Amino acid sequence: GNSVTQMEGPVTLSEEAFLTINCTYTATGYPSLFWYVQYPGEGLQLLLKATKADDKGSNKGFEATYRKETTSFHLEKGSVQVSDSAVYFCALSGPGNQFYFGTGTSLTVIP
Amino acid sequence: KAGVTQTPRYLIKTRGQQVTLSCSPISGHRSVSWYQQTPGQGLQFLFEYFSETQRNKGNFPGRFSGRQFSNSRSEMNVSTLELGDSALYLCASSLAGQVGYNEQFFGPGTRLTVL
Repeated sequence: GNSVTQMEGPVTLSEEAFLTINCTYTATGYPSLFWYVQYPGEGLQLLLKATKADDKGSNKGFEATYRKETTSFHLEKGSVQVSDSAVYFCALSGPGNQFYFGTGTSLTVIP
Repeated sequence: KAGVTQTPRYLIKTRGQQVTLSCSPISGHRSVSWYQQTPGQGLQFLFEYFSETQRNKGNFPGRFSGRQFSNSRSEMNVSTLELGDSALYLCASSLAGQVGYNEQFFGPGTRLTVL
């Protein structure tokens, strides 16, 4: 079946540190992969996406590359800011448009 | 383009009551999905509607139901509320069916508290 596993949180980083949040997936076929971000009290916002192997999604300094050989879609950012503090969800879209989300990783960035 | 809207934003109910939540998708989106988010269970998929038909269903009891109207607006209903139904209920819409254009766009959620 389809599933997403992402690293447990919470993650605490100092401002300007490098961020990696690991995400691996299990899927039938060729899913699309997504990262969503949720700020306190809000719904989820799409951060970036990749629709096929070796695609790199990027937005607001965040990047993730669709790696079919390792079934991974790790989120990275070179220099985090306090405003990046949020919960990050990795997700895949399988057949029939059904989405599968990871458990979320809470990120806190301290000045 | 207006985003996904959900009403009401907050609800307080008592055990045994029923509740109806509403979701208006982005104009042109025909797929609406519902999720339950709790601190303990995370984000759990309830169901998805596409063109007024339930296309996918998660693993929730029959007390949770939904429907979609011809204008793509959707409602979900929870009957005989239990304390454990307290959660943030999120609605998401998508174009669906087109490769590369199936990302889901989320509303702000309805915070349901069951006392």
